[in-house]
Amino acid sequence: GQQVMQIPQYQHVQEGEDFTTYCNSSTTLSNIQWYKQRPGGHPVFLIQLVKSGEVKKQKRLTFQFGEAKKNSSLHITATQTTDVGTYFCAGRVSGTYKYIFGTGTRLKVLA
Amino acid sequence: ETGVTQSPTHLIKTRGQQVTLRCSSQSGHNTVSWYQQALGQGPQFIFQYYREEENGRGNFPPRFSGLQFPNYSSELNVNALELDDSALYLCASSLEGPTPGNTIYFGEGSWLTVV
Repeated sequence: GQQVMQIPQYQHVQEGEDFTTYCNSSTTLSNIQWYKQRPGGHPVFLIQLVKSGEVKKQKRLTFQFGEAKKNSSLHITATQTTDVGTYFCAGRVSGTYKYIFGTGTRLKVLA
Repeated sequence: ETGVTQSPTHLIKTRGQQVTLRCSSQSGHNTVSWYQQALGQGPQFIFQYYREEENGRGNFPPRFSGLQFPNYSSELNVNALELDDSALYLCASSLEGPTPGNTIYFGEGSWLTVV
């Protein structure tokens, strides 16, 4: 079936270090969204990427969508303790209204 | 604050019972989706409603059903509850047009425990 895998599953970094999570889909996606979920909270929309090869930046966060529209990445520069949480990608399966969430990457930032 | 509210926030049900979860979407949002999120996992797509019609469904059995109402509220109904149905149920609303893929706003979720 359709799957979206994320790596790594967990990442512990020292405050100030960079962090990257990767998302890989078994099928082509029409678009991909990224979410952040704090412990005990709900997913919060961060950004959406639609075009092949698209790169978007939000302050210290850089998002990329692969040329084949099957993979994506989120890179955080100089992490802060406020970046703690689980980051999910969610890909929209081409030709459907269905979003498949990735397995998530739990980020812990050590002060 | 996403403008999406869900109720109840927590509930406990017995195996075999039925449950109804409610969601009030952002005003004007014509699309609502429901997700199931088990502890430590990503949200799993249950189904989506667009203008009161189901237009997409994930790998969930028919005992998961839903309704969307003209006043931007919706319901998720689960019959014959099983222990594995214990999870956080998330409602998400968006405004979809000819080009789908707009921002999705999640509610805070309803924690369901089946005992």
